[in-house]
Amino acid sequence: DTAVSQTPKYLVTQMGNDKSIKCEQNLGHDTMYWYKQDSKKFLKIMFSYNNKELIINETVPNRFSPKSPDKAHLNLHINSLELGDSAVYFCASSQEMRPGTQYFGPGTRLLVL
Amino acid sequence: LAKTTQPISMDSYEGQEVNITCSHNNIATNDYITWYQQFPSQGPRFIIQGYKTKVTNEVASLFIPADRKSSTLSLPRVSLSDTAVYYCLVGDVYAGNNRKLIWGLGTSLAVNP
Repeated sequence: DTAVSQTPKYLVTQMGNDKSIKCEQNLGHDTMYWYKQDSKKFLKIMFSYNNKELIINETVPNRFSPKSPDKAHLNLHINSLELGDSAVYFCASSQEMRPGTQYFGPGTRLLVL
Repeated sequence: LAKTTQPISMDSYEGQEVNITCSHNNIATNDYITWYQQFPSQGPRFIIQGYKTKVTNEVASLFIPADRKSSTLSLPRVSLSDTAVYYCLVGDVYAGNNRKLIWGLGTSLAVNP
């Protein structure tokens, strides 16, 4: 059973399009995260949700909007995609009291042309 | 905020012990130190976590001095399959909404035959 899953695995799209990435965890965790990893492997946390409540919202363009329908799901919607959005996006989850211990999904490789 | 610094890359040989040090001079009282391993095309994977002194599991050891301003991940007798990027993460603050997770830039470890 996959603990943290993301769809799609690959996403190729044109500039200006709107796209969504879905994430689901079956670990019963309370907290979920979205990360962006660029070509230099730098991991940047974008958002964190705890029980459907936004708790970390780093400085990201407002074109990025997370949505958590329930505590097992955290989706990422991106409007008006730009070339610089090309990266690997990771979803992760953790128990509320130990956010340092995160379980990551396999990543979504986004390429904006 | 704690800023983490770790070497960009390291080289080793099979069977050797590898020590990777992370500096975090401004670590906060409530912060834990966590290390992750990332293989190409995969999400980071939790290795070990500690608060102070020494922690050991079946994969690695984590040494944290009394001042907690640095930490050292120790991988005993590495093999070729330990070739990966290793990230240091400092954080785990639960003070209302002041939750910050500070990732290092990663150390690329190459294990040679």
